[in-house]
Amino acid sequence: GAGVSQSPRYKVTKRGQDVALRCDPISGHVSLYWYRQALGQGPEFLTYFNYEAQQDKSGLPNDRFSAERPEGSISTLTIQRTEQRDSAMYRCASSPPPGTSGISARGEQFFGPGTRLTVL
Amino acid sequence: SQKIEQNSEALNIQEGKTATLTCNYTNYSPAYLQWYRQDPGRGPVFLLLIRENEKEKRKERLKVTFDTTLKQSLFHITASQPADSATYLCALGLLSGNTPLVFGKGTRLSVIA
Repeated sequence: GAGVSQSPRYKVTKRGQDVALRCDPISGHVSLYWYRQALGQGPEFLTYFNYEAQQDKSGLPNDRFSAERPEGSISTLTIQRTEQRDSAMYRCASSPPPGTSGISARGEQFFGPGTRLTVL
Repeated sequence: SQKIEQNSEALNIQEGKTATLTCNYTNYSPAYLQWYRQDPGRGPVFLLLIRENEKEKRKERLKVTFDTTLKQSLFHITASQPADSATYLCALGLLSGNTPLVFGKGTRLSVIA
């Protein structure tokens, strides 16, 4: 089946512009996570949702960052007034409901290909 | 302070040998620990999960151990192959169920034929 998809795959913007990054999780996955990954580092947590409810946004760097998942499916991460330090790979992941049997284990996350954001 | 460390940035081994990667953490009490594989330009892919009350898990050529006293996990790949070359990430799940993960920096493994 289809995996997690993210768009755009690459985004180049000028400092001060707003950007919106989209994540389309695997169908039926209730949890959706946003991470940011710098080169040579592991993913760093930003925020996550269970269904449409934002559970934790403690990883968002500042109030220029926001995220929503209004219908419990697609999510958008918005960065306002971008700065050069915002340049990074932004990754989305999703998880099925806890306790789902089969090939998935509780807490396993399925990652998308990422959006590479470059702020000039 | 809280830290999660993977023993080395890069590890080179000969094909057929066992690769052993280490993950140590400080000031965390994870409910479970996961290992992911990441290839260049791609997102991490889940490999194994081990819970706090489990000592060892196996899956094909992979084995993970978890010592909550030492606060350490070891990840082994036996009979390593060049196709195993990738970056391997350790990740802590701090609560049961679906929660955000805390990732280490990863170890880049190269298996030389």
